[in-house]
Amino acid sequence: GAVVSQHPSRVICKSGTSVKIECRSLDFQATTMFWYRQFPKQSLMLMATSNEGSKATYEQGVEKDKFLINHASLTLSTLTVTSAHPEDSSFYICSARSRDRGYYGYTFGSGTRLTVV
Amino acid sequence: SQQGEEDPQALSIQEGENATMNCSYKTSINNLQWYRQNSGRGLVHLILIRSNEREKHSGRLRVTLDTSKKSSSLLITASRAADTASYFCATDDGGSYIPTFGRGTSLIVHP
Repeated sequence: GAVVSQHPSRVICKSGTSVKIECRSLDFQATTMFWYRQFPKQSLMLMATSNEGSKATYEQGVEKDKFLINHASLTLSTLTVTSAHPEDSSFYICSARSRDRGYYGYTFGSGTRLTVV
Repeated sequence: SQQGEEDPQALSIQEGENATMNCSYKTSINNLQWYRQNSGRGLVHLILIRSNEREKHSGRLRVTLDTSKKSSSLLITASRAADTASYFCATDDGGSYIPTFGRGTSLIVHP
């Protein structure tokens, strides 16, 4: 089945540094990637949607200069948390939708636990 | 964006019992999906039910959808300790096809 590989699974960084999270679709072309954020014991909140080759569309309240999303190819999307602060500590998950699999095909990555100290 | 709302927020049962979780949503949808998330891990897709379907089965899972009430239920029969996880419903609104999630139900199955 379709697999999305997300790396790293855990990262600890110092306040003020930047962290890059990668999501790769391994056996299908991800025309659209979604990035979610999840706080402890809470739901997943959509941060942004990115289509291959286009600028990402951010949800209201999400700082696009802080959370840089790049979807340069059909198999790779990255989320960079710039100048991270402790309040950015969270669980980040990507999801890929494939044109080939129709609108109903979503595959989630395994998530990245970011801790900013 | 709309959000499904799961009920109950927490559920604690004994192994072998059935677990029922409900999800309500606000606007018309194309489909509704249920996911499981083990603590600190990613999401695992369980089942998708389309708006023109009323019931779907997959192993020990049974999902119903009532579009007139804008609600869905997930039934796990003969629960096992390994079913302990959080369960989320995800809906998409009629036009965007972007899945949005409810708060989830935390299920604990005691051995």
